[in-house]
Amino acid sequence: DAGVIQSPRHEVTEMGQEVTLRCKPISGHDYLFWYRQTMMRGLELLIYFNNNVPIDDSGMPEDRFSAKMPNASFSTLKIQPSEPRDSAVYFCASSYRGLKYEQYFGPGTRLTVT
Amino acid sequence: KQEVTQIPAALSVPEGENLVLNCSFTDSAIYNLQWFRQDPGKGLTSLLLIQSSQREQTSGRLNASLDKSSGRSTLYIAASQPGDSATYLCAVTHSNSGYALNFGKGTSLLVTP
Repeated sequence: DAGVIQSPRHEVTEMGQEVTLRCKPISGHDYLFWYRQTMMRGLELLIYFNNNVPIDDSGMPEDRFSAKMPNASFSTLKIQPSEPRDSAVYFCASSYRGLKYEQYFGPGTRLTVT
Repeated sequence: KQEVTQIPAALSVPEGENLVLNCSFTDSAIYNLQWFRQDPGKGLTSLLLIQSSQREQTSGRLNASLDKSSGRSTLYIAASQPGDSATYLCAVTHSNSGYALNFGKGTSLLVTP
């Protein structure tokens, strides 16, 4: 398997624009997680899905953030409108019960909002 | 709320030394604990996964131990090399939160030749 795939790897956008981050989990994994990493706060959970269903979105900072998982092989994290404080690295990860829920991370998307 | 703390925040050692990184957590009812490595500007690489029922796991020069009752884990790196320079992150999961990872802030390790 190719591992967790994220796109784009880098995104630079202006304040107020819509940003969409994409993730393809490892085939067969039934949990998908979105995390955000900043210097100030470290790595924080934003939302996670189980079998494509959002289970806990309490980490989503504001209504400007939304996430979907239309099928088992694709998820999106959308920010609309974007703000400079959203600048961070966004990671997607997936896991599977059969692997004792060990999480595998994608390479991340580095978002810069100017 | 689970709090994960890693000490020290930064560490510099000469090549060849054995070293220990520490991780502590406040809620001992964890499902598992995972150690990661992160190189600058890169993603996270899983190093070791310890189930709550286990005491330790080993992979090559790395050994991770877990004392769940005291809320502590250590990552032991033997015979350190410059290539070990990276940030090491500790994270725990709980079965009642979808096995989402709760991270410490990491230990930044520099191994000098």
